[in-house]
Amino acid sequence: GQNIDQPTEMTATEGAIVQINCTYQTSGFNGLFWYQQHAGEAPTFLSYNVLDGLEEKGRFSSFLSRSKGYSYLLLKELQMKDSASYLCAVMDSNYQLIWGAGTKLIIKP
Amino acid sequence: IAGITQAPTSQILAAGRRMTLRCTQDMRHNAMYWYRQDLGLGLRLIHYSNTAGTTGKGEVPDGYSVSRANTDDFPLTLASAVPSQTSVYFCASSAGTGYDTGELFFGEGSRLTVL
Repeated sequence: GQNIDQPTEMTATEGAIVQINCTYQTSGFNGLFWYQQHAGEAPTFLSYNVLDGLEEKGRFSSFLSRSKGYSYLLLKELQMKDSASYLCAVMDSNYQLIWGAGTKLIIKP
Repeated sequence: IAGITQAPTSQILAAGRRMTLRCTQDMRHNAMYWYRQDLGLGLRLIHYSNTAGTTGKGEVPDGYSVSRANTDDFPLTLASAVPSQTSVYFCASSAGTGYDTGELFFGEGSRLTVL
């Protein structure tokens, strides 16, 4: 079966750096997405990786290793507004998105 | 520009009742989707439509139906609601599949409680 694994919850301190990991086993691979979802709100797109390596976008970076079935989202200079759930999703060979359950990130002052 | 609009935002209904969740987008996106989100689970695809006039079943289609009469609207109908359909429902759209990043744009969600 297809599976996306990410930690259920993480805690970090304002101003620090946090890395959220995602491992996947899917039928084919057409890209990996990270979405941010604040409590009670809709998910919003953060990043897309289809080739190995690091994609940097401001304070957020996303890394992909296709051979290891592994990705991480790196958040730098954490702010209180970064408290949210972070969803990892993989697009399989049928171009369908398979979603992880999400990682709830708690930022403490 | 509104993006994607869902209605109602929240609804409580009795088991056995029929319910339609509305979804409208103004981005002229080809593909539209309905997901449900339950605590501890990833988003699960109910139904999708790659273009107006076509629909397909997702991971959890039973008890739900959809239609796509035009590009903008993609309503989701629960013919006879059951308590296990209590969930938050998200409508989403994307410009297409397979030929772009596939970035999804989500509506604000419809919280449905079936008693």
